[in-house]
Amino acid sequence: QKEVEQNSGPLSVPEGAIASLNCTYSDRGSQSFFWYRQYSGKSPELIMFIYSNGDKEDGRFTAQLNKASQYVSLLIRDSQPSDSATYLCAVGEDSSYKLIFGSGTRLLVRP
Amino acid sequence: DADVTQTPRNRITKTGKRIMLECSQTKGHDRMYWYRQDPGLGLRLIYYSFDVKDINKGEISDGYSVSRQAQAKFSLSLESAIPNQTALYFCATSDLLAGRGQYFGPGTRLTVT
Repeated sequence: QKEVEQNSGPLSVPEGAIASLNCTYSDRGSQSFFWYRQYSGKSPELIMFIYSNGDKEDGRFTAQLNKASQYVSLLIRDSQPSDSATYLCAVGEDSSYKLIFGSGTRLLVRP
Repeated sequence: DADVTQTPRNRITKTGKRIMLECSQTKGHDRMYWYRQDPGLGLRLIYYSFDVKDINKGEISDGYSVSRQAQAKFSLSLESAIPNQTALYFCATSDLLAGRGQYFGPGTRLTVT
């Protein structure tokens, strides 16, 4: 069974620090990788996607992908209290557009 | 206006009742999905549809059925609700031209007593 693993946290960082969120996946054939942010009681919001090995930056967010190690991460620079949320990693099956979600990492940014 | 809407937003029902959750989208996406979310278990796929004539079971389809009435509408039914179907239900959409990411509705909180 295909799996996506995340540490549940909480990951606690001080305001202004870099938060590093990690995710591993079991299906070596996976082609697309996504990070979602979910505030408590709200729906998941797509914040980053990455398809190729390496880094992809968007504002304060950087997604990193290493297919050989089956590892994807999300870095949040200059963390703000408003970044406090659960971050879901999702991995896409290439042909079906289905996503397999991890159970999420809760991030807490301390003022 | 929201691109993906779900009705109702909250529902309390009794064991054995039939209930329908509705999803509509104005994004023009052809793919639609239903998920449930339980604490500690993440999002689990119930059903998905690639167009009006294409319906597929997800990992936890038992006890659920769906109907794709139009490209923009995808409904989830619980034929005879049971307490362990108490969860947060999300509809999502995606489209080839929008990449492979999925875009979620606001969710329906369902409680079965």
